[in-house]
Amino acid sequence: QKEVEQDPGPLSVPEGAIVSLNCTYSNSAFQYFMWYRQYSRKGPELLMYTYSSGNKEDGRFTAQVDKSSKYISLFIRDSQPSDSATYLCAMSDQAGTALIFGKGTTLSVSS
Amino acid sequence: DAGVIQSPRHEVTEMGQEVTLRCKPISGHDYLFWYRQTMMRGLELLIYFNNNVPIDDSGMPEDRFSAKMPNASFSTLKIQPSEPRDSAVYFCASSHQLAGGNIQYFGAGTRLSVL
Repeated sequence: QKEVEQDPGPLSVPEGAIVSLNCTYSNSAFQYFMWYRQYSRKGPELLMYTYSSGNKEDGRFTAQVDKSSKYISLFIRDSQPSDSATYLCAMSDQAGTALIFGKGTTLSVSS
Repeated sequence: DAGVIQSPRHEVTEMGQEVTLRCKPISGHDYLFWYRQTMMRGLELLIYFNNNVPIDDSGMPEDRFSAKMPNASFSTLKIQPSEPRDSAVYFCASSHQLAGGNIQYFGAGTRLSVL
């Protein structure tokens, strides 16, 4: 079993829809959780950063971490065509160490 | 800041040739990471440095791969000899310990094709 599992999709939604992206993980020591967005032929860019459990909101984006279930989510409200990209979850157990990435979910938002 | 700068953006080479990928991290960052991304395996760590010292190279596939960081503003990843299975996108990322060390900023990547 891979340390981080992420449904690759693809996920297609109409503009304005609420999108839910998820990852599960097996290492209970993970405590730093991130979501990166990657446009085609570009490098990943940080979208959300969460330490330990709880929710974090930034504009249309909400990140949730449930450490008891080893499950993290990213919600996108009022999705836009510009949100079309691959979303990668990433996590680590310590500060200053390498991140373990999910394989990414490809999202397409149609206008 | 210009962000993490990688060169070349694209590299096409023949099997057996030496390939050198270059990275300039964000100024002031003390961590540098090399990742490889493929469709099959996703984004995987190859090696990372802290203050120019290699900390974890367990992801380096084999002796054909080597990485150096001679100073805080430059790192190289070398493949010698290259093989078709090395074809992938190679990313460099950097971070700063005072920012938690986990918020990594990625370059645009080098797309390597080995024929």
